[in-house]
Amino acid sequence: DAGVIQSPRHEVTEMGQEVTLRCKPISGHNSLFWYRQTMMRGLELLIYFNNNVPIDDSGMPEDRFSAKMPNASFSTLKIQPSEPRDSAVYFCASSLRPSGTDTQYFGPGTRLTVL
Amino acid sequence: AQSVTQLDSQVPVFEEAPVELRCNYSSSVSVYLFWYVQYPNQGLQLLLKYLSGSTLVKGINGFEAEFNKSQTSFHLRKPSVHISDTAEYFCAVSDGFQKLVFGTGTRLLVSP
Repeated sequence: DAGVIQSPRHEVTEMGQEVTLRCKPISGHNSLFWYRQTMMRGLELLIYFNNNVPIDDSGMPEDRFSAKMPNASFSTLKIQPSEPRDSAVYFCASSLRPSGTDTQYFGPGTRLTVL
Repeated sequence: AQSVTQLDSQVPVFEEAPVELRCNYSSSVSVYLFWYVQYPNQGLQLLLKYLSGSTLVKGINGFEAEFNKSQTSFHLRKPSVHISDTAEYFCAVSDGFQKLVFGTGTRLLVSP
């Protein structure tokens, strides 16, 4: 299996621009997670989906952030408009079942820099 | 609410020496505990997890961890480290629902 696939791997944009991060979970996995990693705040869960349905988005920092999962093999995280404080590494992860005991498999991340 | 504390932000060690990375958690309910490793410029990878049963859990790459309920700890150990173990290690806790709460990470630096 190819594992969780994220694109792009690096993104540099200017403040105010729209940014879209993409994720393809492992085939057959039913849960998908979006995390953000910064030096200041560590690893934070932004939102997660079960069977393409958003379950908990309490970690989404502001209305500028939105996430969708139109089908079982694709999800996007959008930031509009972007700000310098959004600079971070964004990880997507997937797990087989909607269970707190299941292993989450992480993608390689997207490093976002907002100038 | 759950929380995880990793007391050491960085642990330097010489190759072939033993190492222990400390993790303490707080939770008002039963917990499931995880250790993940992050190599430079990569995503996180599961090392091991404690769900129930034996309190000594063995993981990949020769790592093991011991769940201690009375001390609310889940320390990670390896008897002999290699240069390739240089990475950041994250402890995480789950209460059975899907949200993992991660610690701030411990950077393990193995030198020759």
